[in-house]
Amino acid sequence: AQTVTQSQPEMSVQEAETVTLSCTYDTSESDYYLFWYKQPPSRQMILVIRQEAYKQQNATENRFSVNFQKAAKSFSLKISDSQLGDAAMYFCASLGNQFYFGTGTSLTVIP
Amino acid sequence: SQTIHQWPATLVQPVGSPLSLECTVEGTSNPNLYWYRQAAGRGLQLLFYSVGIGQISSEVPQNLSASRPQDRQFILSSKKLLLSDSGFYLCAWSMGRLQETQYFGPGTRLLVL
Repeated sequence: AQTVTQSQPEMSVQEAETVTLSCTYDTSESDYYLFWYKQPPSRQMILVIRQEAYKQQNATENRFSVNFQKAAKSFSLKISDSQLGDAAMYFCASLGNQFYFGTGTSLTVIP
Repeated sequence: SQTIHQWPATLVQPVGSPLSLECTVEGTSNPNLYWYRQAAGRGLQLLFYSVGIGQISSEVPQNLSASRPQDRQFILSSKKLLLSDSGFYLCAWSMGRLQETQYFGPGTRLLVL
């Protein structure tokens, strides 16, 4: 079975600053994918970024980037130039044969 | 483009009553479909997934069942709701292999009293 651990239940960041959300995972799969999803107050899950485990290059989507350390099984999300609209729950997930989600990190953006 | 719909958005039901939540996907064919439950303050738990019409895989034995009567329709049901069935139910779809990115619907908030 796979497990995904987010050790930071809550984080806060000043507007325009940078914040990093942590995620570790454990899997026996050789072929897997990693994701960060954002869940704003509307509660709809929105894909933020995706990383294929076989790729060494870290994925980037505009202000969002990941630090993927495969040997350490670590997959952190960096949000640069934080905006008020980034405030949400962020879920890390791994996908082998099915999705496994972490318990989430609640991000507050301080104006 | 593809869109996914869920209804109702919110539902309040008494214990012991039946349940039917519906999910439909537009703009794609033969998607993989998923039902998740999110309890308050927790992550997502996969309940069911389907790779085709009439094909349902259950991940968690419980009071719920799922059906896929049409290619782009996925239904979550219960004959008798329990208090523990309260939560936020999310439907998702993906294409191709089960390892593809999943895209989520807006969710249904269910409160069982």
